[in-house]
Amino acid sequence: QKEVEQNSGPLSVPEGAIASLNCTYSDRVSQSFFWYRQYSGKSPELIMSIYSNGDKEDGRFTAQLNKASQYVSLLIRDSQPSDSATYLCAVNKMGTYKYIFGTGTRLKVLA
Amino acid sequence: DADVTQTPRNRITKTGKRIMLECSQTKGHDRMYWYRQDPGLGLRLIYYSFDVKDINKGEISDGYSVSRQAQAKFSLSLESAIPNQTALYFCATSDSRGEGYNEQFFGPGTRLTVL
Repeated sequence: QKEVEQNSGPLSVPEGAIASLNCTYSDRVSQSFFWYRQYSGKSPELIMSIYSNGDKEDGRFTAQLNKASQYVSLLIRDSQPSDSATYLCAVNKMGTYKYIFGTGTRLKVLA
Repeated sequence: DADVTQTPRNRITKTGKRIMLECSQTKGHDRMYWYRQDPGLGLRLIYYSFDVKDINKGEISDGYSVSRQAQAKFSLSLESAIPNQTALYFCATSDSRGEGYNEQFFGPGTRLTVL
């Protein structure tokens, strides 16, 4: 079992729809969770960090964390073609060097 | 101006050559990292440094070495490049203090090709 798992996609959604991206992790002691957006050939860009169970909203993005079920998700409201990218999930045990990245979900927003 | 910079951005070299990739940051972060990214394998940690005197191997350090010249500078060297080191290389930083203290921020990357 991979430490961080994401569906590779592509996930296709129409413009204006809600895109839902999911990530599961295996280490229960993971404490910090991050979503990155990465355009092809570019570097990962931090979108959201979440540390506590529940929802965290920032503009069109909402991160959801459920530690009991060991999953974290990212919702993108009013999806735009410019949101088309690969989204990476990362987990970290606070205070340690180890950040485990998923291989990413490719999102395609259709105009 | 970018907070994390990497040089060079692209490099083509030959097998056996010594290569240095450089990373500088103006974020004031104490922790710095080197990753490589290969298609289908995701990001893998090569080395990390929690401060100038603290350097540690990551999961794939063989064939690589690093130097933390200052808090703001962290260099990665390939002593004798080989073709399977062809990849995208990213430097990242994080701050061990304050709110959002373990968020990682990435530089723009170096595309390295070893022929």
